[in-house]
Amino acid sequence: DVKVTQSSRYLVKRTGEKVFLECVQDMDHENMFWYRQDPGLGLRLIYFSYDVKMKEKGDIPEGYSVSREKKERFSLILESASTNQTSMYLCASSGPNEKLFFGSGTQLSVL
Amino acid sequence: AQSVTQPDIHITVSEGASLELRCNYSYGATPYLFWYVQSPGQGLQLLLKYFSGDTLVQGIKGFEAEFKRSQSSFNLRKPSVHWSDAAEYFCAVEGRNTDKLIFGTGTRLQVFP
Repeated sequence: DVKVTQSSRYLVKRTGEKVFLECVQDMDHENMFWYRQDPGLGLRLIYFSYDVKMKEKGDIPEGYSVSREKKERFSLILESASTNQTSMYLCASSGPNEKLFFGSGTQLSVL
Repeated sequence: AQSVTQPDIHITVSEGASLELRCNYSYGATPYLFWYVQSPGQGLQLLLKYFSGDTLVQGIKGFEAEFKRSQSSFNLRKPSVHWSDAAEYFCAVEGRNTDKLIFGTGTRLQVFP
C-alpha cells in the first residue's frame, strides 16, 4: 500500500523557534510537495521538488525553506516560526503523470 | 491567472438526496481536472480525474463529474448521498506541462440523517 508519512500529527512550538516538518514517501516518487491548508483558503503550495537536491518555490514560500537530500524525504523548515504560520501542513508526492498521494497532515500551532 | 473557484463554502443535504458540488476554473488551455475528498483528520484522497476523452468521468464511492469546456466547469455529482460522504471536497487543476496542482478553497459537505 502506498504511503506518505508525516512524522508528527500535532506540533506546538513557540514564536521564533526553528521548526522541522518531515515527510517520507515509499513509492520512489520524483515529485514531492508541501501545502498548507487554512479554512476558507483551501490548499496553497509552499514549495515543491522534482528531484533530489532540487526545489522550487510555490505560491507562498515566504518564511519557509525546504530540504531534499534523499529522494524519499522532503523536509519543510520554518526558520523562525511565527503565529501566522499556525496551520495544517500537508505533504504529497507523485510520479510522472500520476495523481498526488497525500500524507495525513501535521497540525502546527505556534504560540 | 490560473485559478479554481468553488463558490459553495458549505452545503447541507439530507441522506439519500442528490448532490452537486460546483467547480469553475480559469486556465490558459484545458488543464487536467481533479476532485479530492478530505475526511476529518485525514489527508486528501482522489475521487476522480479528467485528462481527456469522455467528458463524464466516473470515480470512487459513486461520484461522477462532468467537464464542460464552454462553461469552464467540472462539477461533482452523486445521485444519493450517504452519511459517510460528509467531508470537505476540493477541486483542483493541473497544467498539461506541469505537475503542480492548484486547489480550490473547498466545499464542506454536511449530511443529515
